[in-house]
Amino acid sequence: KAGVTQTPRYLIKTRGQQVTLSCSPISGHRSVSWYQQTPGQGLQFLFEYFSETQRNKGNFPGRFSGRQFSNSRSEMNVSTLELGDSALYLCASSPGVVGTEAFFGQGTRLTVV
Amino acid sequence: GENVEQHPSTLSVQEGDSAVIKCTYSDSASNYFPWYKQELGKGPQLIIDIRSNVGEKKDQRIAVTLNKTAKHFSLHITETQPEDSAVYFCAAKGENRDDKIIFGKGTRLHILP
Repeated sequence: KAGVTQTPRYLIKTRGQQVTLSCSPISGHRSVSWYQQTPGQGLQFLFEYFSETQRNKGNFPGRFSGRQFSNSRSEMNVSTLELGDSALYLCASSPGVVGTEAFFGQGTRLTVV
Repeated sequence: GENVEQHPSTLSVQEGDSAVIKCTYSDSASNYFPWYKQELGKGPQLIIDIRSNVGEKKDQRIAVTLNKTAKHFSLHITETQPEDSAVYFCAAKGENRDDKIIFGKGTRLHILP
């Protein structure tokens, strides 16, 4: 069974640009969550999508957005990039049922210069 | 909202000794507590989890204990090996499907030769 796939693995962008990251969950999983990981803040929850609907949202500005497609693949978008957006962005998939474990991808390392 | 505190932030133990990482949570409704291990350049990997109807769970050299009254849970690694060196995250999740997983800030474990 294939794991969670995130693309691209690495990305360098300039301040002010926008970026789109992609996540393909494990086959059959309907929930995709996104996290931002930085050395100082640990794993910060961005949002969760379940069956194409945003089910939960963290405390990030509106520049961070996401969506989920009918095949459960998800994308997140960050507009007007700032230097502080440099981080490892992780997505996790789960079946979406209460209490079930989440499986992470390897992440996309975004560097904003 | 839920808050998860994790201690220590860094832990060094001699190879062969035991390591203990502790977490406390704030929301008494939390009932699912996973632990993740993150190696360099990889996404977090689920290593063990426990649900609130269980006080202790063991899987070979790792074990997790849960004290719901005190709202804390711990990860125990016995007979540590060099490959145990990594960052470990605890997390907590509520019983409702819409509840998100909240992570601790992580513990960097060093196994000394």
